[in-house]
Amino acid sequence: EVQLVESGGGLIQPGGSLSLSCAASGFTFSSQAMSWVRQAPGKGLEWVSTISDTGADTHYPDSVMGRFTISRDNSRDTLYLQMNSPRAEDTAVYYCAILRWSDRIMDVWGKGTTVTVST
Amino acid sequence: DIVMTQTPLSSPVTLGQPASISCSSSQSLVHSDGNTYLSWLQQRPGQPPRLLIYKISKRFSGVPDRFGGSGAGTDFTLEISRVEAEDVGVYYCMQGTQYPHTFGQGTKLEIK
Repeated sequence: EVQLVESGGGLIQPGGSLSLSCAASGFTFSSQAMSWVRQAPGKGLEWVSTISDTGADTHYPDSVMGRFTISRDNSRDTLYLQMNSPRAEDTAVYYCAILRWSDRIMDVWGKGTTVTVST
Repeated sequence: DIVMTQTPLSSPVTLGQPASISCSSSQSLVHSDGNTYLSWLQQRPGQPPRLLIYKISKRFSGVPDRFGGSGAGTDFTLEISRVEAEDVGVYYCMQGTQYPHTFGQGTKLEIK
């Protein structure tokens, strides 16, 4: 069974740092691009970042560029999101998802991990 | 950035009746490779999103055939032929043609 399990969420102070993980299983992780998508409380979905299958290419929206870093360890089948200098507006449920590049679709999603940025 | 605009934002529907959600993009979603990377996702309460439709009209594996997609260029539609109780949730369109990938605001489908 294809599965994605996020972890690492919690309470973080503005200006701190936090690292999220996404453990993948049931598919060849090293062959798939991966994405992070977030959802603020009561709000819609926002794409956060994408990384290619090898990790050589990464993409971010302006809202997190320079503060967040997506990475992956294909030997451990794990995706990461390093969050630096978080702001209150980064409070959200963070989902990881498989991005099937040929169709540009996110077809498998994890259940998400909650990040709260607050003093 | 490509802005995705959905209408309506809320849609009360009677069980067994059809429902339709529109999504328009601020610029054409036709990629230089000729494909249009417009997909639709469903998010049931308390659940992660689920892919329904991709490349405008292709139904994803396991999605009931009462869900259909249409459109071209900048205007797209998700149609549910006969709404069932399990269809309650929020529906999002998403474009993957250009970075940053962007979503519509979401349309809440509820039963009258």
